[in-house]
Amino acid sequence: EVQLVQSGADVKKPGESLKISCEGSGYSFTTYWIGWVRQMPGKGLDWMGLVNPGDSHTRYNPSFQGQVTISADKSISAAYLQWGSLKASDTALYYCARLNGASFDIWGQGTVVTVSS
Amino acid sequence: DIQMTQSPSSLSASVGDRVAISCRSSQTINIYLNWYQQKPGRAPQLLIYAASTLQSGVPSRFRGSGSGTDFTLTISSLQPEDFATYYCQQSYNTPYTFGRGTKLEIK
Repeated sequence: EVQLVQSGADVKKPGESLKISCEGSGYSFTTYWIGWVRQMPGKGLDWMGLVNPGDSHTRYNPSFQGQVTISADKSISAAYLQWGSLKASDTALYYCARLNGASFDIWGQGTVVTVSS
Repeated sequence: DIQMTQSPSSLSASVGDRVAISCRSSQTINIYLNWYQQKPGRAPQLLIYAASTLQSGVPSRFRGSGSGTDFTLTISSLQPEDFATYYCQQSYNTPYTFGRGTKLEIK
């Protein structure tokens, strides 16, 4: 079965760092870019960026550039989204998704990140 | 960035109804338009890609149309499981922006 499995929910304080993961299975992980999508509470979908697991090349939404780091480790079929210093406004549900052609055809189950003092 | 405008933002309909959701891009995107369905507490699911191609496993009552800047998602006969939020997304240029969503509710 083709799937993306994300790491579990996390609660952090403002200023702390965090790295969440997305593990792919059931397909050749290096063949497809992986994207990250934010969904703030009760809101719509925000496209954050992409990573090519084959060569770790990235493309960021300018709105998120410098705020997060997207990376991948092809040796373990994993992609990552990380923050160096979290803010309360980073509280959201984060999805990873596989880019097949020009659409996200497989999605992870989502990771809830809560940032609160 | 390309802006995606969906309308309506919410819609009430009954089982069996035919409904249409509109999506307009701020510049031409050819047919680089995708539609996703999201149910509460679940990840989005791809319904239609390249404006009109049905993703495998998606019922044929879903239809996508349009090109350039104007697109439509039509559901021909609403089923109970179709009540959800629908998003369009352009994949012509990064960032691959989404519309703000259309919430389809039971009347």
